[in-house]
Amino acid sequence: DTGVSQDPRHKITKRGQNVTFRCDPISEHNRLYWYRQTLGQGPEFLTYFQNEAQLEKSRLLSDRFSAERPKGSFSTLEIQRTEQGDSAMYLCASSVQGSVEKLFFGSGTQLSVL
Amino acid sequence: GENVEQHPSTLSVQEGDSAVIKCTYSDSASNYFPWYKQELGKRPQLIIDIRSNVGEKKDQRIAVTLNKTAKHFSLHITETQPEDSAVYFCAATGANNLFFGTGTRLTVIP
Repeated sequence: DTGVSQDPRHKITKRGQNVTFRCDPISEHNRLYWYRQTLGQGPEFLTYFQNEAQLEKSRLLSDRFSAERPKGSFSTLEIQRTEQGDSAMYLCASSVQGSVEKLFFGSGTQLSVL
Repeated sequence: GENVEQHPSTLSVQEGDSAVIKCTYSDSASNYFPWYKQELGKRPQLIIDIRSNVGEKKDQRIAVTLNKTAKHFSLHITETQPEDSAVYFCAATGANNLFFGTGTRLTVIP
């Protein structure tokens, strides 16, 4: 599968624990985005990278959230001290050279915080 | 930032009929408007997009129209089929990202 892949597909954790998600974009795509989607809502922008540089972060991204893309390939999204309100689908998407157009999404990581 | 509103939130049509979903946006600088289809438990998939220098675009049974003056755009699906049943999201560009509408759940009744 040459699409965007995310791991794990599902994550159940207890409140207060840390979790980390991984995203592998399409290989020739240099832009990588993280979105969050809750039931009945559209995806909400969290942050994006151009190669290894994190260029923009949403106000939704509290200081408990951190994202990295160390070599400009895969990315990780870490949530520290999880809260029940963090329960959501976390979607990764990638696109070609310097453009937000034609985003390709991964299947997401469904996070449940108990 | 950009604000995208989408309606209706649910839409049921008989197989073979047409479906229309409408979106409005707030930022006149937005210049790219994609539509995504999301089936239950699956990833959002791009089905059609339009840039601001074009008023209409068609791809088989799917078409999108854009009215820049009024800041609204619409998705039209003709000859609907049961496999068209899904949630559809419109989106508009912010500076470097997409802002999505809240989605329309389309049900095509056989």
